[in-house]
Amino acid sequence: AQSVAQPEDQVNVAEGNPLTVKCTYSVSGNPYLFWYVQYPNRGLQFLLKYITGDNLVKGSYGFEAEFNKSQTSFHLKKPSALVSDSALYFCAVRAVMEYGNKLVFGAGTILRVKS
Amino acid sequence: ETGVTQTPRHLVMGMTNKKSLKCEQHLGHNAMYWYKQSAKKPLELMFVYNFKEQTENNSVPSRFSPECPNSSHLFLHLHTLQPEDSALYLCASSRGTGGEETQYFGPGTRLLVL
Repeated sequence: AQSVAQPEDQVNVAEGNPLTVKCTYSVSGNPYLFWYVQYPNRGLQFLLKYITGDNLVKGSYGFEAEFNKSQTSFHLKKPSALVSDSALYFCAVRAVMEYGNKLVFGAGTILRVKS
Repeated sequence: ETGVTQTPRHLVMGMTNKKSLKCEQHLGHNAMYWYKQSAKKPLELMFVYNFKEQTENNSVPSRFSPECPNSSHLFLHLHTLQPEDSALYLCASSRGTGGEETQYFGPGTRLLVL
């Protein structure tokens, strides 16, 4: 089955410290991977994606993610967390279906950054 | 903002009501999507339209009826809903339905069915 796992329901980090939000995937074919963020009462905002090329992908708001094919992971990282980064983060992977492509989303990880 | 708008933002309806959700995208995209987001569950893809043609109906009950009159507008018509249909309904759009395309989401409609 094509799926995404976000093993942590919640990640807590102090402001100024580095943060990591984990994501692992299982797909057939080449993985296309995405990270989205959702603030309260808002829709999902696109952060970054990996399609091909450099394994380290840089995105919005200082976030980056590293594609690791051998570990089937695509962890989201930021060198120095801000309180305003507190939100719900979703990892997603392109799944190839009989009728086309669809995005399969993880269950989400709540990030809490404390000052 | 992402260029995808949704109205209304909040909706309360009884199980016998009929209502419609509206989505509009200003990005020049050709594909539009409806998703359902329930508490503590992954996003569920409901419908996909590409160039106004429905390309996917993800086993959604018939009490949800989508309509896509053009590539910029998408509706979700609701009738005889159940309390378990209460959720955040998200609309998204993308240039196409290729796997590398980024989907851009609207702010959602928070639906409560009484």
